Amino acid sequence: GAVVSQHPSWVICKSGTSVKIECRSLDFQATTMFWYRQFPKQSLMLMATSNEGSKATYEQGVEKDKFLINHASLTLSTLTVTSAHPEDSSFYICSALRLQGSWWTFGSGTRLTVV
Amino acid sequence: GQNIDQPTEMTATEGAIVQINCTYQTSGFNGLFWYQQHAGEAPTFLSYNVLDGLEEKGRFSSFLSRSKGYSYLLLKELQMKDSASYLCAVRRGGGANNLFFGTGTRLTVIP
Repeated sequence: GAVVSQHPSWVICKSGTSVKIECRSLDFQATTMFWYRQFPKQSLMLMATSNEGSKATYEQGVEKDKFLINHASLTLSTLTVTSAHPEDSSFYICSALRLQGSWWTFGSGTRLTVV
Repeated sequence: GQNIDQPTEMTATEGAIVQINCTYQTSGFNGLFWYQQHAGEAPTFLSYNVLDGLEEKGRFSSFLSRSKGYSYLLLKELQMKDSASYLCAVRRGGGANNLFFGTGTRLTVIP
């Protein structure tokens, strides 16, 4: 149990376009999901906490107008990278918090390349 | 703020034992996690410590000292497949459920 599906696994987009990444909890309800970004050979940096039915909480230095987060249901959170630029190229990973046991489960990640 | 430090890289021999250290200074503490991450993949859970002491789980053990802000992950009988990054992560307290990750340690196991 406790599976999180993240889609797409990789995407290439042109500079200036927007990209949406989906994170779904398949067999449990997740009131809280988290979005991380990971640059090559670096650790995961928390970008924002996504709460179902309310606004996301962004970490310091993360532009909320650039990284739009929507958590419209208990099983789905989306991250939209708006007006993407090459410096946004990174590995984006979501995780979902399972209330029972308070365990985090991670998605498989999305490799974004902006050209 | 959050400050979680680990050595950047380590190399160890197959069959040996390796200890990966993690020191932390965080605003609140409610548990420390260790994750394994292979390149391009999501992290996978290894261990969890919330009280001081050693937690053993097969070839992996994790130790925590809250007063010292220190943890280590011990890997025994190293195998080539253990080559990966090992991430130390702290759960913030005070009702927050965020996980903050350390810098990560890239472990290379050599024959």
